[in-house]
Amino acid sequence: EPEVTQTPSHQVTQMGQEVILRCVPISNHLYFYWYRQILGQKVEFLVSFYNNEISEKSEIFDDQFSVERPDGSNFTLKIRSTKLEDSAMYFCASSEFSGLAGTTYEQYFGPGTRLTVT
Amino acid sequence: TQLLEQSPQFLSIQEGENLTVYCNSSSVFSSLQWYRQEPGEGPVLLVTVVTGGEVKKLKRLTFQFGDARKDSSLHITAAQPGDTGLYLCAGGASGGGADGLTFGKGTHLIIQP
Repeated sequence: EPEVTQTPSHQVTQMGQEVILRCVPISNHLYFYWYRQILGQKVEFLVSFYNNEISEKSEIFDDQFSVERPDGSNFTLKIRSTKLEDSAMYFCASSEFSGLAGTTYEQYFGPGTRLTVT
Repeated sequence: TQLLEQSPQFLSIQEGENLTVYCNSSSVFSSLQWYRQEPGEGPVLLVTVVTGGEVKKLKRLTFQFGDARKDSSLHITAAQPGDTGLYLCAGGASGGGADGLTFGKGTHLIIQP
């Protein structure tokens, strides 16, 4: 069964450093997403991506964040200058449809990357 | 800002009992998805409901979307220890585009043998 994969599973970085989290979405999916989950808190939407551009982003997704689809399979999240409060699980998700009338869309999540900023 | 409130936050019951968990909002959602999440892992999709009043069954799990598409429930019949886990509801906003999901905080379910 196709699945979303993410690497690395755990990333430790020092405050101020740049990190890149990588995801391989399900191959025939067209919509890609990043979410984060701070320990003990709910899953929060960061950004969605379609047709090589950002479709929607939350207030959390500020100028320190960027996303890219560098090739036909990978989808990345870059955090330019990490802060302590960026420590969280970061989940990538993908879906086949968008929420257009008469269709359903189902987002499938990867296993996550645990980011620890020290 | 759309919010999803899940209740109860924690539920511990004996094997064989029935239970219902709820997901409520003051906002309308175009779809409602239920996930199960194990510690340290990503959410795993259980079901998606899109039509007001829709009922879907997945073995012993029954999911319902409210008529006004503002609330949903998950009912488990004859709960088993394997049902133990964190159950999350997540709503897709009304309208088109690659909408991000709004998640609830989840219901921690423990089924004791």
